[in-house]
Amino acid sequence: AQSVSQHNHHVILSEAASLELGCNYSYGGTVNLFWYVQYPGQHLQLLLKYFSGDPLVKGIKGFEAEFIKSKFSFNLRKPSVQWSDTAEYFCAVNGGNTGFQKLVFGTGTRLLVSP
Amino acid sequence: DADVTQTPRNRITKTGKRIMLECSQTKGHDRMYWYRQDPGLGLRLIYYSFDVKDINKGEISDGYSVSRQAQAKFSLSLESAIPNQTALYFCATSAATGSPGLQFFGPGTRLTVL
Repeated sequence: AQSVSQHNHHVILSEAASLELGCNYSYGGTVNLFWYVQYPGQHLQLLLKYFSGDPLVKGIKGFEAEFIKSKFSFNLRKPSVQWSDTAEYFCAVNGGNTGFQKLVFGTGTRLLVSP
Repeated sequence: DADVTQTPRNRITKTGKRIMLECSQTKGHDRMYWYRQDPGLGLRLIYYSFDVKDINKGEISDGYSVSRQAQAKFSLSLESAIPNQTALYFCATSAATGSPGLQFFGPGTRLTVL
């Protein structure tokens, strides 16, 4: 079955530390990749997306992600986190043999940034 | 995002009760989705609809039903609620064309079944 894996369930960082959250998917073929963020008490918002082209994608709030097709990965990075980045982060994929109409989400990574 | 609204925002109910969660959108999107979110499990798709006459089961549709009353409205029903349906429920929308997979989420409904 198709799946999206986020290996880190909980991450705790101090402000100004660098962040990398892992995301791997199990599809072959063409995929679209997304990172969504859920701030405490809020709904999911799109952080960044990859459809095609440059595999290094820049999103909002200084986040970026790199698509490495050979590794089936789409890791999220930020050079220097802030307290306001405390949130839950979800990787999502569509395409492959599930088609492009549905998103499959990873289980999420809860990030806590201490001041 | 105020373009996708959900009512109620919180609901506590008892086992066996019928519950309806409503979703409305002003984005003009054709596609609408219902997800549930559980700690450690991420978001799982319950049902989705690509237009008023199109309803599809997601990965966890058992115990749920939906109604697409209009392009802008998509309701989720629990005919006989059970405690393991306690979760956070999200509605989402997407356009039929343009960016595939780009979804816009409502604020969520926190449902507790006692």
